[in-house]
Amino acid sequence: GAGVSQSPSNKVTEKGKDVELRCDPISGHTALYWYRQSLGQGLEFLIYFQGNSAPDKSGLPSDRFSAERTGGSVSTLTIQRTQQEDSAVYLCASSLAGLNYNEQFFGPGTRLTVL
Amino acid sequence: DQQVKQNSPSLSVQEGRISILNCDYTNSMFDYFLWYKKYPAEGPTFLISISSIKDKNEDGRFTVFLNKSAKHLSLHIVPSQPGDSAVYFCAARDSGGSNYKLTFGKGTLLTVNP
Repeated sequence: GAGVSQSPSNKVTEKGKDVELRCDPISGHTALYWYRQSLGQGLEFLIYFQGNSAPDKSGLPSDRFSAERTGGSVSTLTIQRTQQEDSAVYLCASSLAGLNYNEQFFGPGTRLTVL
Repeated sequence: DQQVKQNSPSLSVQEGRISILNCDYTNSMFDYFLWYKKYPAEGPTFLISISSIKDKNEDGRFTVFLNKSAKHLSLHIVPSQPGDSAVYFCAARDSGGSNYKLTFGKGTLLTVNP
């Protein structure tokens, strides 16, 4: 079956503009995660959605970052007034959910470049 | 404060030999560890994991060893193949936190030469 897909694959924007990044999780996966990988760094947790529960936004670096998940499926990560330090690869992952850890399946990522 | 450290940014080995990728952690509350492999322009894919109640987990050519007293784990690949060339990330789950949150290291680029 189809894996996690993300769009666009690459995004170049000017400082101060808003951007939207999209994630389509694997069908049937109730958990969805956003991560960020800056140059030379590991993956940094941003936000977690699980079903209809309130999302865990504890990893969002500033109030310029927000995310939505509509209908329990597609998610959009929005960055307002982008800054150069926002340049990174943004990765989305999805998983089944339960009491124990479940393997996270990652999408190919969106490479964001803020000029 | 980096809780998961992969101190070798890169590693180069010959095909057929053993690759050993190392990972150190500082948080004693980590109870589950994972290795992910990442090819260029692709997302990370799960490779192998180990619970803190074990000291070894093996899956084909891949074995992960955990030394809790040293807060150290390693991934062994034997024999190494050119297709293993990728970035390998070590990740850990905090038992005192949310079971879905993983802390990742910066990764090690493995190159297997034919």
